[in-house]
Amino acid sequence: QVQLVQSGAEVKKPGASVKVSCKASGYTFTGYYMHWVRQAPGQGLEWMGWINPNSGATNYAQKFQGRVTMTRDTSITTAYMELSSLRSDDTAVYYCAKDGGYCGITNCYPFNWFDPWGQGTLVTVSS
Amino acid sequence: EIVMTQSPATLSVSPGERATLSCRASQSVGSNLAWYQQKPGQAPRLLIYGASTRATGIPARFSGSGSGTEVTLTISSLQSEDFAVYYCQQSNNWPYTFGQGTKLEIK
Repeated sequence: QVQLVQSGAEVKKPGASVKVSCKASGYTFTGYYMHWVRQAPGQGLEWMGWINPNSGATNYAQKFQGRVTMTRDTSITTAYMELSSLRSDDTAVYYCAKDGGYCGITNCYPFNWFDPWGQGTLVTVSS
Repeated sequence: EIVMTQSPATLSVSPGERATLSCRASQSVGSNLAWYQQKPGQAPRLLIYGASTRATGIPARFSGSGSGTEVTLTISSLQSEDFAVYYCQQSNNWPYTFGQGTKLEIK
């Protein structure tokens, strides 16, 4: 079955960076976009961006541009999300989520809804 | 950016009754709308995509309707496991935005 397993919780100081991993299994990793979504404590969901694991192309929400970097390692079917210049309001659970669309031989057709999701990684930013 | 507004913020319903959750978009999203269920301490789970198509394994008591700027999630006969927070999400325009959630609680 399709499964996304994320790395463990992190505690970081303001100004530092964090890199969260998302190990995919049960499907063709390069055939589907991977999205990242975060959720601050007690708050709603916020889309951060996607990566095309086949090409490495990325698309980030404007709010995170300049601070977020999404990468992948196809040899180990793992996606990564790195967020820099951390602030206290970056404290949140970060989720990876597989896109509902697909990539064909020459083109990708993302649907931009998310299924399934990883279990989440809590990132705490505190001095 | 499209703003998604869900109502009500909290809905109290008895088991076995019907629940109707609403989601309004600040501009048309066509049928590019998804619904998710989230229980405490868990990741969201996809329920509905394309405004009305149930995801794999989702019981038939969950149904989605509407398009454009007004969509609805209906749960026909609430089971104990359905009490959770529900989010709508538009997939029509970048950036892909979520509503603030409706908490469905036991009456």
